[in-house]
Amino acid sequence: EVQLVESGGGLVKPGGSLRLSCEGSGLLFSSYTMNWVRQAPGRGLEWVSSISSNGNYIYYEDSVKGRFTISRDNAKNSLYLQMNSLRAEDTAVYYCARFESMDVWGQGTTVTVSS
Amino acid sequence: DIQMTQSPSTLSASVGDRVTITCRASQSISSWLAWHQQKPGKAPKLLIYKASNLESGVPSRFSGSGSGTEFTLTISSLQPDDFATYYCLQYNSYPHTFGQGTKVEIK
Repeated sequence: EVQLVESGGGLVKPGGSLRLSCEGSGLLFSSYTMNWVRQAPGRGLEWVSSISSNGNYIYYEDSVKGRFTISRDNAKNSLYLQMNSLRAEDTAVYYCARFESMDVWGQGTTVTVSS
Repeated sequence: DIQMTQSPSTLSASVGDRVTITCRASQSISSWLAWHQQKPGKAPKLLIYKASNLESGVPSRFSGSGSGTEFTLTISSLQPDDFATYYCLQYNSYPHTFGQGTKVEIK
């Protein structure tokens, strides 16, 4: 079964850090660009970051540049998002998704930034 | 950055209706556009990629068209399972951008 499973979300105080993980199975993980997309409560989808199949090309949405770091470990079929200096506006469900067109999505993990 | 303007934001329709949703890009994105469906509390699901290609397993009542800056998603005969929110996504260049969404409601 083709599957992506996110983990690592939780409640964190403003200024804190979290590391999200996304593990893939059944989907040739190492061959594809991978993405993080978020959705704030009651809002639309927002692209956050992408990393190429070999990790050589990395892109970020402007509001997370310098605070978030995307990485991957193809040997472990895993994608990561290190989130530092978290703000209230980072509160969202975070999804990982495969490929530029986002043909496979995980179920999401919830990040809440609140004091 | 490329802006994606989706319309309408809300659409009220009945089962069996033909429904069309439009997405306009602020500059040409060739055919690098996808359409996603999202139901409450669930992850999005890819319906259409490269503007007009139906993703495997997606019912044929869904179709996409357009290129350059104007794109449409059409549902030929709306079914009860289709009441959801629909998003376009441009992946021509970074930052990738989504439209603001179209919620299809029961009339």
